[in-house]
Amino acid sequence: DVVMTQSPLSLPVTLGQPASISCRSSQSLVYSDGNTYLNWFQQRPGQSPRRLIYKVSDRDSGVPDRFSGSGSGTDFTLKISRVEAEDVGVYYCMQSTHWPWTFGQGTKVEIK
Amino acid sequence: EVQLVESGGGLVQPGGSLRLSCAASGFIFSSYWMYWVRQVPGKGLEWVSRINSDGSTTSYADSVKGRLTISRDNAKNTLYLQMNSLRAEDTAVYFCVGGLNKWGQGTLVTVSS
Repeated sequence: DVVMTQSPLSLPVTLGQPASISCRSSQSLVYSDGNTYLNWFQQRPGQSPRRLIYKVSDRDSGVPDRFSGSGSGTDFTLKISRVEAEDVGVYYCMQSTHWPWTFGQGTKVEIK
Repeated sequence: EVQLVESGGGLVQPGGSLRLSCAASGFIFSSYWMYWVRQVPGKGLEWVSRINSDGSTTSYADSVKGRLTISRDNAKNTLYLQMNSLRAEDTAVYFCVGGLNKWGQGTLVTVSS
């Protein structure tokens, strides 16, 4: 199975400041169709996960543009340009290139 | 409004069975791959199973293969997960997911004597 490794696992941030989460995969996530199926999910406390980003950098409908994704191959990043209080929660990267799909361990974002 | 509503969770003894259901509305259910994802409370997420739009193709995580069976009824807009030979390590919240961007609220399955 593809192992997804996130860092850091805990991220205290100041409101209005940027935040960045790294995700590395144990093998390339480039699919045979040329696309890279790397997703980012947000799980707020007490809620179900919500997808923010798909195919590395495409934002889902309704996702604020302060969230952005980047990367290629095995190295990916989720950035929040200015953290807001509603961004508190756990963020997971997830690959949907190789079955079984796999999630990273999660990064807990909290306000300092 | 898109809705996925899971039901059927509860407390079951090791070796027992349970059937989860997920009622979908607000989107064209029969056009979507559907999935079950589970989460041990306070822990991370794990893909359990997937099924294609017409139900002809299914896949499972190794940890559940041979014990859990995914199915769907497109006429009823409903996804199922038949869970047999349950183990303590199957204890988790089970989420129904559509197209990766539609999630239910989850149903808790507890396997304990």
